[in-house]
Amino acid sequence: GIQVEQSPPDLILQEGANSTLRCNFSDSVNNLQWFHQNPWGQLINLFYIPSGTKQNGRLSATTVATERYSLLYISSSQTTDSGVYFCAVGMNSGYSTLTFGKGTMLLVSP
Amino acid sequence: NAGVTQTPKFQVLKTGQSMTLQCAQDMNHNSMYWYRQDPGMGLRLIYYSASEGTTDKGEVPNGYNVSRLNKREFSLRLESAAPSQTSVYFCASALAGTTYEQYFGPGTRLTVT
Repeated sequence: GIQVEQSPPDLILQEGANSTLRCNFSDSVNNLQWFHQNPWGQLINLFYIPSGTKQNGRLSATTVATERYSLLYISSSQTTDSGVYFCAVGMNSGYSTLTFGKGTMLLVSP
Repeated sequence: NAGVTQTPKFQVLKTGQSMTLQCAQDMNHNSMYWYRQDPGMGLRLIYYSASEGTTDKGEVPNGYNVSRLNKREFSLRLESAAPSQTSVYFCASALAGTTYEQYFGPGTRLTVT
């Protein structure tokens, strides 16, 4: 099946710093989503981005499908950004669903 | 819109007991999914229903059964719970298959002792 690798596995930032999270995948995809899992365990949709670039406030994402990677940018980080960020990809074949990476755990300290 | 709802939020079972996790969505989605999340890992697919009337196994189906009751509801049943099924269970839905964005419920935290 498709492989999804996220880096870095852990990240500690001071409030106000910027960061870039990366997601590499091993095959062509027709779906790529970024999620934030907050400390209460809730999965929050950040971006649906199988290709191109999107921005939402302090967050933006870029997927280069031909090179099989996606980047999530967090600018001016806040303590509420803490949690785990997951990349998940979907393909036309296989289980007809999303395959998740193992996530990047982000801690933003005041 | 409530989105995707799950019940219960928490459950403790003894080994060998059975239970059903309930999931419902009000977004008129065709596809629904059950995942489990174990510590330090991403989510893994248990079963999915691409459309009403169909169900298929995912990556980790052993020990589980599902029922797509109608377009809105998709339940997950543990017939004889085992400690290895201690996990957080998430239900999700999408308009139709992998091309569309998936939306997740709040999860059910299950402990099997």
